[in-house]
Amino acid sequence: GIQVEQSPPDLILQEGANSTLRCNFSDSVNNLQWFHQNPWGQLINLFYIPSGTKQNGRLSATTVATERYSLLYISSSQTTDSGVYFCAVEGFSGGYNKLIFGAGTRLAVHP
Amino acid sequence: ETGVTQSPTHLIKTRGQQVTLRCSSQSGHNTVSWYQQALGQGPQFIFQYYREEENGRGNFPPRFSGLQFPNYSSELNVNALELDDSALYLCASSTGQAYNSPLHFGNGTRLTVT
Repeated sequence: GIQVEQSPPDLILQEGANSTLRCNFSDSVNNLQWFHQNPWGQLINLFYIPSGTKQNGRLSATTVATERYSLLYISSSQTTDSGVYFCAVEGFSGGYNKLIFGAGTRLAVHP
Repeated sequence: ETGVTQSPTHLIKTRGQQVTLRCSSQSGHNTVSWYQQALGQGPQFIFQYYREEENGRGNFPPRFSGLQFPNYSSELNVNALELDDSALYLCASSTGQAYNSPLHFGNGTRLTVT
């Protein structure tokens, strides 16, 4: 089945810094989503971005489906950005299409 | 607009017992999917329900089963609990298939099996 790899696995930033998170996938995909899981465990949908570029405030994402990667940009990071960022792509296995998550990038933003 | 709500928030069970977790979908969403998230890992797809029928399943044994009700709320049932079932269980709702529609997650139920 499709493999989803995220990098870096861990990231520590000072408040105000910028960062780029990467998601590579092993096969072509029709759909890709980015999520933020806060320290209390809730998963928040950041972007539904099968291709192209989207921006939402300090966050933006770009997916280049033909090259099998997506990038999440965080600018002027804040302590509330801390948590785990997951990339998830559509994959097919066991007779069904399903959303397959990467292992995540753990981000800690210090004041 | 009401978001996705899950209950209970925490649960402790003994190996061999059965457990039922509950989820209320976000208003206007007709598809619900369930995920298991072990500590330090990404969520793993368990199954999806649409119009009260299972129409997608991950690599989980039959002792993981579910229901969706006419109001689109859902249950996840796990029989014969094993220690490895300890995890955060997440419910998500969407207006279309879970793999090609934006997902909206609940806060999860943390299950501990002793």
